[in-house]
Amino acid sequence: AQTVTQSQPEMSVQEAETVTLSCTYDTSESDYYLFWYKQPPSRQMILVIRQEAYKQQNATENRFSVNFQKAAKSFSLKISDSQLGDAAMYFCAYRGINDMRFGAGTRLTVKP
Amino acid sequence: NAGVTQTPKFQVLKTGQSMTLQCAQDMNHEYMSWYRQDPGMGLRLIHYSVGAGITDQGEVPNGYNVSRSTTEDFPLRLLSAAPSQTSVYFCASSYKWGVETQYFGPGTRLLVL
Repeated sequence: AQTVTQSQPEMSVQEAETVTLSCTYDTSESDYYLFWYKQPPSRQMILVIRQEAYKQQNATENRFSVNFQKAAKSFSLKISDSQLGDAAMYFCAYRGINDMRFGAGTRLTVKP
Repeated sequence: NAGVTQTPKFQVLKTGQSMTLQCAQDMNHEYMSWYRQDPGMGLRLIHYSVGAGITDQGEVPNGYNVSRSTTEDFPLRLLSAAPSQTSVYFCASSYKWGVETQYFGPGTRLLVL
């Protein structure tokens, strides 16, 4: 079965600085999709960024970008120019043929 | 356009009781799914549906039933609630599988005593 591992339970960043959240996954599938979701205290799950495994180019969405290393099965999220509103739980997720797996999450704190 | 709606927001059950968590979407999405979120474990897929009349099991299906009679609705049934089913339940939908964005409902918090 596919697994998703987020090795950083908590991370902290100074406002306006850059932070990178780590994610690794394990799969035998060749076609899959990867996502980062943000969950603020409201509990609403919000899509931050997504990546198709067949695309070599790393996805970028404004201040959010990923470093996708397919061979290493690594999918890290970089947040640039961190803002107070970025404080939340961040979940890495894997979507395969008939499966969807989430990591345990990383709690990001943003210090003013 | 309400997106994905879930009812109730919060429910307390006694062990052995049954109940149905409701989920509806008004975006004409083919794909719908149910997840549970427990502390420190992220979300886990319970059941999913790729269209009306088609459902399948996810990672943690035991103790839950689903059906999909219409495109809009995807209820989750707990036949005999157990304390281990205390969790926050999320319903989600997307136009299709794959890279399509999943839209999540606001969640239902369930406490089984």
